[in-house]
Amino acid sequence: DAGVTQSPTHLIKTRGQHVTLRCSPISGHKSVSWYQQVLGQGPQFIFQYYEKEERGRGNFPDRFSARQFPNYSSELNVNALLLGDSALYLCASSPPGLAGFTGELFFGEGSRLTVL
Amino acid sequence: GQQVMQIPQYQHVQEGEDFTTYCNSSTTLSNIQWYKQRPGGHPVFLIQLVKSGEVKKQKRLTFQFGEAKKNSSLHITATQTTDVGTYFCAGGRNNAGNMLTFGGGTRLMVKP
Repeated sequence: DAGVTQSPTHLIKTRGQHVTLRCSPISGHKSVSWYQQVLGQGPQFIFQYYEKEERGRGNFPDRFSARQFPNYSSELNVNALLLGDSALYLCASSPPGLAGFTGELFFGEGSRLTVL
Repeated sequence: GQQVMQIPQYQHVQEGEDFTTYCNSSTTLSNIQWYKQRPGGHPVFLIQLVKSGEVKKQKRLTFQFGEAKKNSSLHITATQTTDVGTYFCAGGRNNAGNMLTFGGGTRLMVKP
């Protein structure tokens, strides 16, 4: 079975530009979360979506937005890119559970964004 | 806000030696998870602990959750070169969905 897939795997942008990252969860998983991982640090929570609704938002500015589609895939959008947005953006899906989803996260390979 | 700290940041061991990483949260957790990230890879789920004082084992790995549900540890017995990577703990809270707070990780290097 396919794991969580993300695209693109690598991209380079300049300050002020906009970026869209895409994620397809594991088949049957309805919850998708986005994390930012700066080099040398642990992942930091950005968003969670479940059944197309936002279920959680981390401490990120409004330049960051996301959505989930009817097929449970998701997009993360970042506007007005800053140098500090350079990071690995990880998407994770969670299997169904009693509360709708479990806490277990299955991460994709990530999208490595470099902002120049 | 909630903070999760891990020590040590780095650990070099000789193959066959034991390894332990410690995780401490500034707030009480509902659960703690552990992930392993190989160099250049993505985090891979290892285990979730939910009960106070819980101990779980996976082959050479032993995971503990503290009685106060604010600290945890991962112990690897007789390390192998395949254990190389960064180990992250991640704390979850009730009603917070998949919003986990990750520690900074412990990078394990194993000399053959």
